[in-house]
Amino acid sequence: AQSVTQLDSHVSVSEGTPVLLRCNYSSSYSPSLFWYVQHPNKGLQLLLKYTSAATLVKGINGFEAEFKKSETSFHLTKPSAHMSDAAEYFCVVTSVYNQGGKLIFGQGTELSVKP
Amino acid sequence: SAVISQKPSRDICQRGTSLTIQCQVDSQVTMMFWYRQQPGQSLTLIATANQGSEATYESGFVIDKFPISRPNLTFSTLTVSNMSPEDSSIYLCSVESGGPNYNEQFFGPGTRLTVL
Repeated sequence: AQSVTQLDSHVSVSEGTPVLLRCNYSSSYSPSLFWYVQHPNKGLQLLLKYTSAATLVKGINGFEAEFKKSETSFHLTKPSAHMSDAAEYFCVVTSVYNQGGKLIFGQGTELSVKP
Repeated sequence: SAVISQKPSRDICQRGTSLTIQCQVDSQVTMMFWYRQQPGQSLTLIATANQGSEATYESGFVIDKFPISRPNLTFSTLTVSNMSPEDSSIYLCSVESGGPNYNEQFFGPGTRLTVL
C-alpha cells in the first residue's frame, strides 16, 4: 500500500525567506515521488520528480527536494521565496510496480508569501 | 511533454442533469486518467481509461455515475450523470508520459463544475 502525508496544510513565509514544505510517504515498493504545484484557477504543473536516481532533485523555479529513505521523507525547499510562489503544492507517490500509473496525492499545502 | 485540453473549462448545471467533459491530447497515449478535486481537497482518481477496453474504476466510483468513453488514443470523455450539489468539483484528465519518464503524468487545465 502507498500513502503520502503532507505535514502542514498551510505555510506562510515572507518574500526572500526560505520555503520548507514537508512530505512523508509510505510505500511497499521503491517509490517514485513528485511535487506538483497548482496556482489559483490553473492546472497542475510538475515541479520535480524522484525516480531512484540522485536523492537530491532539482526542479523548476529554484525548488528542490531530497529523498531520505531512512526518514521516508521528500521535503520541498526553496532558498528564497518569491511572491509568484504562492500556490497549492501537492506531494505525490507512486511506484514503478504500480500498474496503471495510479498517483496517490497528499492533501496539499497552501503556501502564502507575504511582501 | 503532452499538451492537454479540456472542454468545457467550467459549467454551472442543474441538479439531475448530466454533463460530458472532453479531454483531448496532442499525441497518442495508451492510458488516460480522470481525477476529481472537491473544493478545498486533494485529487482523487476516478478511473483509468484505456483505448479499446472498459475503463477501470477506483473504489467509490461506478460506471453508471461516471461513464467514460475512449474512442481513440488522443481523446476521452467523462460524463457526470444525474448530478447533485455534491458533484461540484474540478474534474481533471491526465496522461502518462511513458518512456524514460515512466509514471510521470501531465494534467489538463481542469473543468470546474458547479451543481445548483
